[in-house]
Amino acid sequence: AQKITQTQPGMFVQEKEAVTLDCTYDTSDPSYGLFWYKQPSSGEMIFLIYQGSYDQQNATEGRYSLNFQKARKSANLVISASQLGDSAMYFCAMREGRGNQFYFGTGTSLTVIP
Amino acid sequence: GAVVSQHPSWVICKSGTSVKIECRSLDFQATTMFWYRQFPKQSLMLMATSNEGSKATYEQGVEKDKFLINHASLTLSTLTVTSAHPEDSSFYICSASQQGKWIYQPQHFGDGTRLSIL
Repeated sequence: AQKITQTQPGMFVQEKEAVTLDCTYDTSDPSYGLFWYKQPSSGEMIFLIYQGSYDQQNATEGRYSLNFQKARKSANLVISASQLGDSAMYFCAMREGRGNQFYFGTGTSLTVIP
Repeated sequence: GAVVSQHPSWVICKSGTSVKIECRSLDFQATTMFWYRQFPKQSLMLMATSNEGSKATYEQGVEKDKFLINHASLTLSTLTVTSAHPEDSSFYICSASQQGKWIYQPQHFGDGTRLSIL
């Protein structure tokens, strides 16, 4: 089974609107970390936000928030007030407590429309 | 903090050439670094895990003799693509994590290297 699943290959959002990028994960390890990265067309991977499996509250970082639903094993990224510069690929990733490898999803291409 | 530098950014060379890519953690020590390969519009594919002072751990299907990894210090790992051929053309990107509780540490990535073999 896939460790990380991103079911939206591409998404469009109007500038200044909010958008949710979906991510589900699969693990039997009670300790894990969930991460979101942004990859613009230039290629660099930019760390956006982190959520730990034991965190009680959803993580927030500026315009980014993580909608963590543990029972559903989902960790959706919410971008508020979208900007043109948000157009990029977005990857969800997981690290399990018992290992040091990162598992990446297939990514979602976000396009912000003026 | 947590900056990873990767060089070169672009490489264009002839078939049969060996190419070395460097990955440095500038402001932290990294006992483990990771090397990924990424094809256009696809996700990152882990090639190998580079461990300081020991042999790298390669993922299934990755040729050890083709992709030589050396992790000589706590701040430097190198990937050498030996006798490169056009099918080795790709985007290669490295990452490292700060020491500490693994699950809380994000991987910090270099800016990647675009390798084109003619």
